[in-house]
Amino acid sequence: RKEVEQDPGPFNVPEGATVAFNCTYSNSASQSFFWYRQDCRKEPKLLMSVYSSGNEDGRFTAQLNRASQYISLLIRDSKLSDSATYLCVVNPKKDTGNQFYFGTGTSLTVIP
Amino acid sequence: NAGVTQTPKFQVLKTGQSMTLQCAQDMNHNSMYWYRQDPGMGLRLIYYSASEGTTDKGEVPNGYNVSRLNKREFSLRLESAAPSQTSVYFCASSLFGAETYSNQPQHFGDGTRLSIL
Repeated sequence: RKEVEQDPGPFNVPEGATVAFNCTYSNSASQSFFWYRQDCRKEPKLLMSVYSSGNEDGRFTAQLNRASQYISLLIRDSKLSDSATYLCVVNPKKDTGNQFYFGTGTSLTVIP
Repeated sequence: NAGVTQTPKFQVLKTGQSMTLQCAQDMNHNSMYWYRQDPGMGLRLIYYSASEGTTDKGEVPNGYNVSRLNKREFSLRLESAAPSQTSVYFCASSLFGAETYSNQPQHFGDGTRLSIL
């Protein structure tokens, strides 16, 4: 079983739509969770960390459900510039030598 | 505000040639990583270094070696390049080691695009 699993999409949504991505992780002892954004053939960039209480940054909301072992990312009022691949990232715990586990990414295209 | 710097940005090699990809970070991070990303696939960890003086294999270490030269620098070497190693290589770094450092993300360099003919 993969450490982190994501629906690859693609998600094609009109401008202004709300879209949500989910990601599941296998290690219940996982400590840290992140969403990254990756534009075509460029480096992944941190979009936001995911905290236990959930967190919001403008149009973006991230949530963590430890009981069901998934994290989610909600994008409201989608912009054309939101088109990218969104990567779910989990950092299990210190004992794993600080490895980070990446999902394969969910592709989003926002259509005019 | 350099962050993570990778060199070179592009390279074309012939099969059997060797080369070293360089990575340096100026954020005083103790953990560094090398990934490869192939078209349509996710990031795959090649090697990582949790702290200066240690290195460990990741998911796809065969055909590669690494050196953690000092806290700032972590290099990746291809001893005898093969076409299957054509890929985009990303270096990353993060802070690691104490409870107060939980939720510290990785920071990436902008990649080395390597083609092996």
